Amino acid sequence: DVKVTQSSRYLVKRTGEKVFLECVQDMDHENMFWYRQDPGLGLRLIYFSYDVKMKEKGDIPEGYSVSREKKERFSLILESASTNQTSMYLCASNPLAREKKNIQYFGAGTRLSVL
Amino acid sequence: AQSVTQLDSQVPVFEEAPVELRCNYSSSVSVYLFWYVQYPNQGLQLLLKYLSGSTLVKGINGFEAEFNKSQTSFHLRKPSVHISDTAEYFCAVVGGRNTDKLIFGTGTRLQVFP
Repeated sequence: DVKVTQSSRYLVKRTGEKVFLECVQDMDHENMFWYRQDPGLGLRLIYFSYDVKMKEKGDIPEGYSVSREKKERFSLILESASTNQTSMYLCASNPLAREKKNIQYFGAGTRLSVL
Repeated sequence: AQSVTQLDSQVPVFEEAPVELRCNYSSSVSVYLFWYVQYPNQGLQLLLKYLSGSTLVKGINGFEAEFNKSQTSFHLRKPSVHISDTAEYFCAVVGGRNTDKLIFGTGTRLQVFP
């Protein structure tokens, strides 16, 4: 089974802190994604990475950055956390293999509260 | 541009009743469609997908969906729901040509009552 692991289930941070959300996948997938999930808004893509050191902005990248130094790990960084970044953050990965193309595998999520 | 609309934010239903969760899409390229389920305090998992071929797609846990090109719909159905089906359901479409990104709908919360 594919396993996507997010390092924290719950995080509480203060406004202005630098926050790191970590995601690791164990299936050698090329693509990795960071979403935020808010009630009534569904999932919105923050950033996407299609290879090591490669990244692409999603729909709501403002206030976020990402890092992918190794294929299995994709980090989301909040440079200076703000209260409007309180949300559920979901990491996903997917392979390029044709038969599994576009099927994304998700971690359990990190619920971040910024106070 | 690709988009997905889930008109029902919540669907309450009694156990053993049938259910339909609606999804309409807009796409300017070949249509690949997905339904994902999110159980409480978990991430999303794939229920079923339509890539090509038969328009009736069967997924896990007794769910099925029908791709209707003329109505641009991909509604999810189950003939008899169980309490354990209580979850949030997301419809998604591939975000365009030559992309691996998905566009998700806003979700439908299915609440099954005994």
